[in-house]
Order: sequence, then structure tokens, then C-alpha cells
Amino acid sequence: DTEVTQTPKHLVMGMTNKKSLKCEQHMGHRAMYWYKQKAKKPPELMFVYSYEKLSINESVPSRFSPECPNSSLLNLHLHALQPEDSALYLCASSQDEGGPGELFFGEGSRLTVL
Amino acid sequence: AQSVTQLDSQVPVFEEAPVELRCNYSSSVSVYLFWYVQYPNQGLQLLLKYLSGSTLVESINGFEAEFNKSQTSFHLRKPSVHISDTAEYFCAVKGYSTLTFGKGTMLLVSP
Repeated sequence: DTEVTQTPKHLVMGMTNKKSLKCEQHMGHRAMYWYKQKAKKPPELMFVYSYEKLSINESVPSRFSPECPNSSLLNLHLHALQPEDSALYLCASSQDEGGPGELFFGEGSRLTVL
Repeated sequence: AQSVTQLDSQVPVFEEAPVELRCNYSSSVSVYLFWYVQYPNQGLQLLLKYLSGSTLVESINGFEAEFNKSQTSFHLRKPSVHISDTAEYFCAVKGYSTLTFGKGTMLLVSP
């Protein structure tokens, strides 16, 4: 199984809502990532988890809250988002944070904030 | 610090023609290099990677890329493109930790 599964595929939320994006992998990877991708732009790194601990936070606003319940799951909790947060949110995993291993990406969750 | 430059934001080409997508990188440490492809409304798929060894790497669908250390380049080539190759292509570099992407090149293949 070389898949990274993300749910939901599409999400529409208001600025006062609370929602979560979920990501799952069963490849035994120890590093998991959240990226944000705006239209016609490259993915931008948001968070990195390594061995279930937050390793990198790229100065992401606190309205985005990541969580890694176990080595296979990664969540992104959303609260009080702004319309400019509308984007494709990509989850990825790799064998380890460092080293040559490539990142495996999910299909993404397309978020629209009204 | 590391960075990736993809000079061409868009490359139009006719079907069955050859294509080259350019990628240059900079890094103060040894790097691993990747090409990812993104089809419309989809995630990123790994196309090919250079980790070490032979400087020419190939993918299963006819793409190849050559690592050139002296020119700090990792250009992607295909001798004959298909309509289905229309997609966004991202070059990426990985040093000790994070993966850094270039801005991407949109390959537009027309009949």
C-alpha cells in the first residue's frame, strides 16, 4: 500500500465554523507533512511531524492546529478561517524527515472558506 | 538554504514533439532531486528522483532527467509527448530536511 488517503476531498466552511482535515498512511512512514497549495502555485510547507512530534511549524497562524494521534494519522483542525485560507491542502508522508526518501502525497482536500 | 528555479512557467508543445523542462537548484549541502507531476485537481505524483549513482534517471512513462552537478541542473526531457502529458511539473530539492519546490512548469500538449 503506497497511498496517502485524505478526507474530505472537498470542504466548504464559514468563517466561524470548526472543521478538521484527516490524513492516513499505512506505509510505516515516520514523517508526515501538511502543505498548502494556492491555484497555480507550488505547495508551501505548513507543518512537519517526525515520530509523532511536531518538528517544523512554518509560522502558520494559530487558526490552523495540527495533531498527530499516532504514526499513521495526521489531522489539521481548522477554526475561524479567513477566505484567503481557501486552497488545496495536501498531506504527505516519507520514511523519515531527513535523508533521501521521497514524499508521497495524497490527493488533497480542497477547502473553500465563505 | 536551498532553492529551485524553473525558468519556464509554461511550455506549449505539439503532440509527438520532444520537450525539455528546465530546473536549476542551489544548495550548500548535498541534495536529492525530484520531479513531481500534478494533473488537474489531483495531488502530486513522483515522476522520478536522483539520489546518487547514475546521473541519468528514467521514469516508467518515457521521461528522463539528468543530474549535472557542475551546472546545478536537473532538466526533465521526453523525446515524444502525448496529450495525456499535459500537467504541471514541479522540480524539487531535498537537503537534510524539508522538500523545496520550484514554481512549476505547465506543459501544454496540443494535437
